[in-house]
Amino acid sequence: DTGVSQDPRHKITKRGQNVTFRCDPISEHNRLYWYRQTLGQGPEFLTYFQNEAQLEKSRLLSDRFSAERPKGSFSTLEIQRTEQGDSAMYLCASTPGLALDTGELFFGEGSRLTVL
Amino acid sequence: AQSVTQLDSQVPVFEEAPVELRCNYSSSVSVYLFWYVQYPNQGLQLLLKYLSGSTLVESINGFEAEFNKSQTSFHLRKPSVHISDTAEYFCAVSKQGGGNKLTFGTGTQLKVEL
Repeated sequence: DTGVSQDPRHKITKRGQNVTFRCDPISEHNRLYWYRQTLGQGPEFLTYFQNEAQLEKSRLLSDRFSAERPKGSFSTLEIQRTEQGDSAMYLCASTPGLALDTGELFFGEGSRLTVL
Repeated sequence: AQSVTQLDSQVPVFEEAPVELRCNYSSSVSVYLFWYVQYPNQGLQLLLKYLSGSTLVESINGFEAEFNKSQTSFHLRKPSVHISDTAEYFCAVSKQGGGNKLTFGTGTQLKVEL
């Protein structure tokens, strides 16, 4: 399968613990995006990367959230000191970027976080 | 900033009946428009998109949407639905030249019944 891969698919944690999600984009896709989706809502933009550079961060991304894409391939999203309000589906998406861009985001199946 | 309104959270419809899922957007700049579909236990998939050109766009499985700039709408239609169309449908916009950052609506759950 050469689609966007996310790990873990499900994570249950206790309030105050740290969690980390990983996203492997489609090979050679330069742009990588993180979104968050809560129940009954559409996905909300968190941040995106062009290669290893983080180009934009949403105000939704508090200081407890950090995203990295150190080698321009996979990305990690870490949430420190989790709160119950962080419970959501975290979605990763990628696009070729630049001249190959058709406007389409290719999404992974998401990582569901439950904070108890 | 852009925003998207999907007026119907749920749309029940009988198989082979027509359906329209409504989407209105707000933006002060030119936008691209998209419909994504999420089948149960699957990731979001692009259904169709409007970037430029003909305002009527079609998907491979019989859906169509028409970009109406004056009404700032991008409603999704299908003349005859199938059970397999049961899914959640999200309308989304992105600012032209805005790095493909999508703003989504809250989604419409389409439930097709026999």
